Amino acid sequence: EDKVVQSPLSLVVHEGDTVTLNCSYEVTNFRSLLWYKQEKKAPTFLFMLTSSGIEKKSGRLSSILDKKELFSILNITATQTGDSAIYLCAVPNGGADGLTFGKGTHLIIQP
Amino acid sequence: DAGITQSPRHKVTETGTPVTLRCHQTENHRYMYWYRQDPGHGLRLIHYSYGVKDTDKGEVSDGYSVSRSKTEDFLLTLESATSSQTSVYFCAISKGTSGGQETQYFGPGTRLLVL
Repeated sequence: EDKVVQSPLSLVVHEGDTVTLNCSYEVTNFRSLLWYKQEKKAPTFLFMLTSSGIEKKSGRLSSILDKKELFSILNITATQTGDSAIYLCAVPNGGADGLTFGKGTHLIIQP
Repeated sequence: DAGITQSPRHKVTETGTPVTLRCHQTENHRYMYWYRQDPGHGLRLIHYSYGVKDTDKGEVSDGYSVSRSKTEDFLLTLESATSSQTSVYFCAISKGTSGGQETQYFGPGTRLLVL
């Protein structure tokens, strides 16, 4: 059975801090890993990673994949209160049948 | 914005009543999905569709059925709602041609409360 485990489950930091969110996975026929951000509404897409060691970056957010050790990290530098959200990691199940999600990391940025 | 709408956005119903949730997309994508999201469980796949009249079960399909008679609409039906089906329901689409390996985009969600 495919599995996605995120850590920590919750994290409280101060504005300006740098945070690292973790996602480990066990999946047969790995093809990609996705990160989403969820505020009080639908998840919104951040990154899709398919190759080891290649960093994807968008502003203060970046992510990298390690296919040998089966994990990915999401970094957020110079955090702002608007970064407060649940960050979700997911892997495709295979074929057309959807994504398996981790339980998410609930990130709270205090002013 | 992937052109996905869900209706209703909020619903309160009673145990034992049938409920149908609608997902509508405007971009003719082939792959559509229904997920539910619950505290402590994250997002879990209920059913998915890979074309008109082509559907299959996901991880938590018991108590749910789906139909897709047109490319743009994917309906989720709770035949006889139970309190355990109180949840937030998200529809998603995949823009690619390879199904689940492509990035999925989510609708705004439907909050369902079963009393």
